[in-house]
Amino acid sequence: SQQGEEDPQALSIQEGENATMNCSYKTSINNLQWYRQNSGRGLVHLILIRSNEREKHSGRLRVTLDTSKKSSSLLITASRAADTASYFCATEHLRGAQKLVFGQGTRLTINP
Amino acid sequence: EAGVAQSPRYKIIEKRQSVAFWCNPISGHATLYWYQQILGQGPKLLIQFQNNGVVDDSQLPKDRFSAERLKGVDSTLKIQPAKLEDSAVYLCASSRWGNYNEQFFGPGTRLTVL
Repeated sequence: SQQGEEDPQALSIQEGENATMNCSYKTSINNLQWYRQNSGRGLVHLILIRSNEREKHSGRLRVTLDTSKKSSSLLITASRAADTASYFCATEHLRGAQKLVFGQGTRLTINP
Repeated sequence: EAGVAQSPRYKIIEKRQSVAFWCNPISGHATLYWYQQILGQGPKLLIQFQNNGVVDDSQLPKDRFSAERLKGVDSTLKIQPAKLEDSAVYLCASSRWGNYNEQFFGPGTRLTVL
């Protein structure tokens, strides 16, 4: 069964705006990762945040993690048309032996 | 470094037929994963190998699905016999062993069962 739930399921914004996606999970985790999937292709790793970290940045990406609320958010600033894709959060459970459990994903569309 | 390779990219079969998918992970990656991704959903782990041993196959429908990773490198996933609900993209991924490692995904095989 899927561990994470992403919100919203779909998001459509104008180019240049910021996009925020949220992920909630149920059990304690070792780390949380975000992946991007362009239509018809495999997933690409974006960023990993450990359970003892609260915020992480990578280029235009900002990820936050609140373990007390079992939730994470991914912020993409100054969006571009090339950011159009599906975004998935994936959680590695404590003692999960590197097993990732993916959410249902958020479909992001950037309108020019 | 070369990425994860998968073949074929597309496969169309009729129900009750058999099919096999092949994956070549990134060199040096001890852990290999097979996922099933149904349209509109996130990937679901089918089986995880560390070298040539199975770490987790709890969600693999063992009555029809089988997988092997001979010599701890390449892997094959087989479905026999296929059902309509097996229509999905089958993704292979690999990673280094240890905590806090990202997974690298191949392009996937899109299977259509008619």
